[in-house]
Amino acid sequence: SQQGEEDPQALSIQEGENATMNCSYKTSINNLQWYRQNSGRGLVHLILIRSNEREKHSGRLRVTLDTSKKSSSLLITASRAADTASYFCATDISFFTNAGKSTFGDGTTLTVKP
Amino acid sequence: DGGITQSPKYLFRKEGQNVTLSCEQNLNHDAMYWYRQDPGQGLRLIYYSQIVNDFQKGDIAEGYSVSREKKESFPLTVTSAQKNPTAFYLCASRVPESNQPQHFGDGTRLSIL
Repeated sequence: SQQGEEDPQALSIQEGENATMNCSYKTSINNLQWYRQNSGRGLVHLILIRSNEREKHSGRLRVTLDTSKKSSSLLITASRAADTASYFCATDISFFTNAGKSTFGDGTTLTVKP
Repeated sequence: DGGITQSPKYLFRKEGQNVTLSCEQNLNHDAMYWYRQDPGQGLRLIYYSQIVNDFQKGDIAEGYSVSREKKESFPLTVTSAQKNPTAFYLCASRVPESNQPQHFGDGTRLSIL
Protein backbone atom coordinates (compact mmCIF):
# COMPACT_ATOMS: atom_id res chain seq x y z
CA SER A 1 0.00 0.00 0.00
CA GLN A 2 1.04 3.61 -0.40
CA GLN A 3 3.47 5.07 2.13
CA GLY A 4 1.68 8.40 2.09
CA GLU A 5 -2.06 8.81 2.31
CA GLU A 6 -3.76 12.18 2.05
CA ASP A 7 -6.92 13.20 3.80
CA PRO A 8 -9.43 14.39 2.74
CA GLN A 9 -9.59 13.09 -0.83
CA ALA A 10 -11.48 16.22 -1.87
CA LEU A 11 -11.95 19.63 -0.29
CA SER A 12 -14.17 22.49 -1.46
CA ILE A 13 -13.97 25.93 0.15
CA GLN A 14 -14.77 29.56 -0.53
CA GLU A 15 -12.13 32.06 -1.54
CA GLY A 16 -10.52 33.62 1.51
CA GLU A 17 -10.96 30.56 3.71
CA ASN A 18 -8.10 28.39 4.92
CA ALA A 19 -7.52 24.90 3.54
CA THR A 20 -5.92 22.10 5.54
CA MET A 21 -4.76 18.82 4.07
CA ASN A 22 -3.24 15.93 5.97
CA CYS A 23 -0.78 13.21 5.07
CA SER A 24 -0.04 10.05 7.01
CA TYR A 25 2.79 7.62 6.38
CA LYS A 26 3.89 4.27 7.70
CA THR A 27 7.68 4.07 8.09
CA SER A 28 10.42 6.38 9.36
CA ILE A 29 11.38 9.04 6.85
CA ASN A 30 14.24 11.38 5.97
CA ASN A 31 11.93 14.07 4.67
CA LEU A 32 8.42 14.75 3.45
CA GLN A 33 7.57 16.86 0.42
CA TRP A 34 4.39 18.57 -0.69
CA TYR A 35 3.64 19.08 -4.37
CA ARG A 36 0.89 20.80 -6.31
CA GLN A 37 -0.54 19.60 -9.63
CA ASN A 38 -2.78 21.68 -11.84
CA SER A 39 -5.06 19.75 -14.14
CA GLY A 40 -3.14 18.12 -16.99
CA ARG A 41 0.23 19.44 -15.80
CA GLY A 42 3.27 18.13 -13.98
CA LEU A 43 3.89 18.37 -10.25
CA VAL A 44 5.40 21.50 -8.77
CA HIS A 45 7.35 21.32 -5.54
CA LEU A 46 5.97 23.44 -2.70
CA ILE A 47 7.81 22.63 0.52
CA LEU A 48 10.23 19.97 1.75
CA ILE A 49 10.39 19.38 5.49
CA ARG A 50 13.14 17.28 7.04
CA SER A 51 12.51 14.70 9.73
CA ASN A 52 14.17 16.88 12.38
CA GLU A 53 11.97 19.88 11.55
CA ARG A 54 8.51 20.49 12.95
CA GLU A 55 7.22 23.41 10.91
CA LYS A 56 8.07 25.31 7.73
CA HIS A 57 6.50 28.32 6.07
CA SER A 58 6.51 29.62 2.51
CA GLY A 59 4.28 32.57 1.76
CA ARG A 60 0.70 31.46 2.47
CA LEU A 61 1.77 27.85 2.99
CA ARG A 62 2.49 26.27 6.34
CA VAL A 63 3.63 22.67 6.73
CA THR A 64 3.89 20.78 9.99
CA LEU A 65 5.46 17.40 10.64
CA ASP A 66 4.78 15.13 13.60
CA THR A 67 7.13 12.16 13.37
CA SER A 68 5.67 10.56 16.50
CA LYS A 69 2.29 10.36 14.77
CA LYS A 70 3.81 9.83 11.32
CA SER A 71 1.73 12.64 9.91
CA SER A 72 2.05 16.01 8.21
CA SER A 73 -0.35 18.79 7.37
CA LEU A 74 -0.38 21.47 4.70
CA LEU A 75 -2.24 24.68 5.49
CA ILE A 76 -3.04 27.19 2.77
CA THR A 77 -4.20 30.47 4.27
CA ALA A 78 -6.47 33.03 2.59
CA SER A 79 -7.09 30.72 -0.34
CA ARG A 80 -7.60 31.99 -3.88
CA ALA A 81 -9.36 30.49 -6.88
CA ALA A 82 -5.91 29.98 -8.40
CA ASP A 83 -5.09 27.54 -5.56
CA THR A 84 -7.52 25.06 -7.14
CA ALA A 85 -5.37 21.98 -7.83
CA SER A 86 -4.43 18.55 -6.51
CA TYR A 87 -1.94 18.41 -3.69
CA PHE A 88 0.32 15.42 -3.05
CA CYS A 89 2.63 14.45 -0.25
CA ALA A 90 5.69 12.33 -0.91
CA THR A 91 8.11 10.70 1.50
CA ASP A 92 11.79 9.79 1.22
CA ILE A 93 13.08 6.93 3.33
CA SER A 94 16.79 7.13 2.66
CA PHE A 95 18.38 8.28 -0.56
CA PHE A 96 21.42 6.06 -0.30
CA THR A 97 19.45 2.87 0.32
CA ASN A 98 16.40 3.80 -1.71
CA ALA A 99 17.93 5.54 -4.75
CA GLY A 100 16.08 8.76 -4.08
CA LYS A 101 12.74 7.13 -4.71
CA SER A 102 9.87 9.07 -3.21
CA THR A 103 6.56 7.40 -2.40
CA PHE A 104 3.51 9.47 -3.32
CA GLY A 105 0.03 9.47 -1.87
CA ASP A 106 -3.16 9.67 -3.90
CA GLY A 107 -3.57 13.38 -3.33
CA THR A 108 -6.18 15.85 -2.13
CA THR A 109 -8.20 17.70 -4.75
CA LEU A 110 -8.81 21.27 -3.60
CA THR A 111 -11.49 23.43 -5.19
CA VAL A 112 -11.60 27.10 -4.21
CA LYS A 113 -14.83 28.81 -5.23
CA PRO A 114 -14.68 32.50 -6.11
CA ASP B 1 15.82 28.42 -17.68
CA GLY B 2 16.59 24.90 -16.53
CA GLY B 3 13.90 22.31 -16.53
CA ILE B 4 12.52 19.04 -17.83
CA THR B 5 10.94 18.75 -21.26
CA GLN B 6 8.59 15.90 -22.10
CA SER B 7 7.33 15.25 -25.59
CA PRO B 8 4.94 14.77 -27.15
CA LYS B 9 2.19 16.21 -24.96
CA TYR B 10 -0.37 13.80 -26.45
CA LEU B 11 0.33 10.38 -27.98
CA PHE B 12 -1.87 7.72 -29.49
CA ARG B 13 -0.97 4.06 -29.74
CA LYS B 14 -2.39 1.44 -32.05
CA GLU B 15 -2.73 -2.21 -31.06
CA GLY B 16 0.60 -4.04 -31.20
CA GLN B 17 2.59 -0.84 -31.52
CA ASN B 18 5.51 0.32 -29.40
CA VAL B 19 5.68 4.03 -28.65
CA THR B 20 8.47 6.09 -27.09
CA LEU B 21 8.03 9.03 -24.76
CA SER B 22 10.84 11.56 -24.60
CA CYS B 23 12.26 13.14 -21.45
CA GLU B 24 15.11 15.65 -21.56
CA GLN B 25 16.53 17.66 -18.65
CA ASN B 26 19.11 20.45 -18.51
CA LEU B 27 19.33 20.56 -14.71
CA ASN B 28 22.48 18.43 -14.58
CA HIS B 29 20.70 15.91 -12.34
CA ASP B 30 22.07 12.38 -12.14
CA ALA B 31 18.84 10.72 -11.01
CA MET B 32 15.80 10.44 -13.29
CA TYR B 33 12.41 8.78 -12.84
CA TRP B 34 9.35 7.74 -14.83
CA TYR B 35 5.91 7.67 -13.20
CA ARG B 36 2.48 6.60 -14.36
CA GLN B 37 -0.60 8.48 -13.12
CA ASP B 38 -4.12 7.13 -13.59
CA PRO B 39 -7.16 9.40 -13.17
CA GLY B 40 -7.72 10.50 -9.59
CA GLN B 41 -4.72 8.58 -8.35
CA GLY B 42 -1.19 9.21 -7.22
CA LEU B 43 2.08 8.45 -8.96
CA ARG B 44 3.43 4.95 -9.45
CA LEU B 45 7.09 4.42 -10.26
CA ILE B 46 7.86 2.64 -13.54
CA TYR B 47 11.66 2.90 -13.87
CA TYR B 48 14.44 4.98 -12.38
CA SER B 49 18.06 5.71 -13.13
CA GLN B 50 20.72 6.98 -10.75
CA ILE B 51 23.49 7.31 -13.32
CA VAL B 52 24.17 7.03 -17.04
CA ASN B 53 23.99 3.48 -18.46
CA ASP B 54 22.26 2.19 -15.34
CA PHE B 55 18.57 1.87 -14.50
CA GLN B 56 16.30 -0.21 -12.26
CA LYS B 57 12.71 -1.38 -12.36
CA GLY B 58 10.18 0.39 -10.23
CA ASP B 59 6.89 -0.95 -8.95
CA ILE B 60 5.12 -1.34 -12.31
CA ALA B 61 7.87 -1.98 -14.91
CA GLU B 62 6.13 -4.76 -16.84
CA GLY B 63 5.40 -3.72 -20.42
CA TYR B 64 7.82 -0.79 -20.32
CA SER B 65 11.48 -0.30 -21.19
CA VAL B 66 13.98 2.56 -20.79
CA SER B 67 17.49 3.57 -21.73
CA ARG B 68 19.94 6.04 -20.22
CA GLU B 69 22.69 6.66 -22.76
CA LYS B 70 23.09 10.33 -21.88
CA LYS B 71 22.78 12.17 -18.59
CA GLU B 72 20.22 14.54 -20.09
CA SER B 73 17.90 11.95 -21.62
CA PHE B 74 15.75 9.14 -20.21
CA PRO B 75 13.27 7.91 -22.86
CA LEU B 76 10.46 5.50 -21.96
CA THR B 77 9.12 2.93 -24.42
CA VAL B 78 5.63 1.60 -23.87
CA THR B 79 5.65 -1.80 -25.52
CA SER B 80 2.80 -3.82 -26.96
CA ALA B 81 3.08 -6.04 -23.88
CA GLN B 82 1.56 -3.23 -21.81
CA LYS B 83 -2.13 -4.04 -22.21
CA ASN B 84 -3.50 -1.00 -20.43
CA PRO B 85 -1.22 1.88 -21.41
CA THR B 86 -3.78 4.69 -21.27
CA ALA B 87 -2.48 7.05 -18.59
CA PHE B 88 -0.61 10.26 -17.88
CA TYR B 89 3.16 9.73 -17.82
CA LEU B 90 5.45 11.98 -15.82
CA CYS B 91 9.22 12.24 -15.90
CA ALA B 92 11.21 13.67 -13.00
CA SER B 93 14.79 14.29 -11.96
CA ARG B 94 16.60 15.22 -8.80
CA VAL B 95 19.97 16.01 -7.33
CA PRO B 96 21.62 12.79 -6.10
CA GLU B 97 21.54 13.61 -2.43
CA SER B 98 18.82 13.51 0.17
CA ASN B 99 16.61 16.43 1.11
CA GLN B 100 16.22 17.77 -2.39
CA PRO B 101 12.84 17.65 -4.15
CA GLN B 102 12.08 16.14 -7.52
CA HIS B 103 11.58 18.34 -10.57
CA PHE B 104 8.84 17.27 -12.97
CA GLY B 105 8.10 17.68 -16.64
CA ASP B 106 4.62 18.55 -17.87
CA GLY B 107 3.72 15.01 -18.79
CA THR B 108 2.62 12.99 -21.81
CA ARG B 109 -0.93 11.73 -22.09
CA LEU B 110 -1.05 8.37 -23.87
CA SER B 111 -4.27 6.97 -25.30
CA ILE B 112 -5.23 3.88 -27.29
CA LEU B 113 -6.60 4.29 -30.82
